[in-house]
Amino acid sequence: AQSVTQLGSHVSVSEGALVLLRCNYSSSVPPYLFWYVQYPNQGLQLLLKYTSAATLVKGINGFEAEFKKSETSFHLTKPSAHMSDAAEYFCAVRSNQGGKLIFGQGTELSVKP
Amino acid sequence: GAGVSQSPSNKVTEKGKDVELRCDPISGHTALYWYRQSLGQGLEFLIYFQGNSAPDKSGLPSDRFSAERTGGSVSTLTIQRTQQEDSAVYLCASSPNPQARNEQFFGPGTRLTVL
Repeated sequence: AQSVTQLGSHVSVSEGALVLLRCNYSSSVPPYLFWYVQYPNQGLQLLLKYTSAATLVKGINGFEAEFKKSETSFHLTKPSAHMSDAAEYFCAVRSNQGGKLIFGQGTELSVKP
Repeated sequence: GAGVSQSPSNKVTEKGKDVELRCDPISGHTALYWYRQSLGQGLEFLIYFQGNSAPDKSGLPSDRFSAERTGGSVSTLTIQRTQQEDSAVYLCASSPNPQARNEQFFGPGTRLTVL
């Protein structure tokens, strides 16, 4: 069975500081991994995706993630946090049965001025 | 272009009533998914439609939940005899070609409150 674990339900950083949101996956097949962001009262917006090409994936808004097979991880980073980054972030793995997404529990990012 | 749209944006109903939630996917997208987002359970898959294939209903939590997709486009999620535990945000997503590992595009969701 495939699964995703996000370590830390809430992360708080200062504006300008490094953002690191952790995601570990479990999959018996090569995974396709996604990071989505959800702003209050909105749907999910794709930040970036890993589909077995480059292991370092760059996304929107300055975010990037690195796929590490040996660590079964796909952590999301951003060098310098901005107030507008405050949102909930979801890591997901694409199921090999029908393409549904299996989500982690989400990490709420707060950015302090 | 237009994204995925959902209606209503908010729905308040009384326990025991039936509700219908609507999803309009992006034009040309063959795959359509329903998810539920609730405080206790996070984001859960409910049902998946792909073209003319039989839907994957493996995520529906009970037989009170059903969904249909007419003409390969609009989808309706129906919850019969609503219960308080059905209160959640129901998200719809569409994808152009899941076999090509495309991402899913999400609508803004319908917030359902069962009193």
